[in-house]
Amino acid sequence: AQSVTQPDIHITVSEGASLELRCNYSYGATPYLFWYVQSPGQGLQLLLKYFSGDTLVQGIKGFEAEFKRSQSSFNLRKPSVHWSDAAEYFCAVGAQDTNAGKSTFGDGTTLTVKP
Amino acid sequence: DTAVSQTPKYLVTQMGNDKSIKCEQNLGHDTMYWYKQDSKKFLKIMFSYNNKELIINETVPNRFSPKSPDKAHLNLHINSLELGDSAVYFCASSQDLRGETQYFGPGTRLLVL
Repeated sequence: AQSVTQPDIHITVSEGASLELRCNYSYGATPYLFWYVQSPGQGLQLLLKYFSGDTLVQGIKGFEAEFKRSQSSFNLRKPSVHWSDAAEYFCAVGAQDTNAGKSTFGDGTTLTVKP
Repeated sequence: DTAVSQTPKYLVTQMGNDKSIKCEQNLGHDTMYWYKQDSKKFLKIMFSYNNKELIINETVPNRFSPKSPDKAHLNLHINSLELGDSAVYFCASSQDLRGETQYFGPGTRLLVL
């Protein structure tokens, strides 16, 4: 069974500082990996995804993530955080098997940005 | 154009009532989902449908009954509402079952009094 762990429940960074949100997954084969962002009162929006190929993927809003198979990780990074990045961030793993029909989401990391 | 829409956005009701939430996607996707997000923001899948066929039912009480009249719609009916049903319910869709990108609706905030 697939699973996702986001070890940090809450992270606070200063505006302009760099950011790294951690995500570890468990899956038997090569997974689909996603980062979604949820702004207050909104639905989830895809930031970026990894399916195959280059292990460093670029997303929207200046985010990037690196797939490290040896560490079963897919950490999200941003070099300089903006106040508008304050939100809930979810890592998710999806099965590449057909008929899987399911992505598993981590419990989320709440990002607070200090002025 | 809204890709995935849900109605209503807010729903306040008494315990014991029956209510429905509607979801529509105009992306031409085959697969649709219902998720429940609790007060701690944990997101749990409830159901998924592919081409109107139920694929996943994650041990949800049978008071919850999804219905998919066509592959663009997935509605959620809840009988005998309980206090613990208070949550935000998200509908989502994806191209197919292969665990690809999901597109989420704005959520329905359900409060049971």
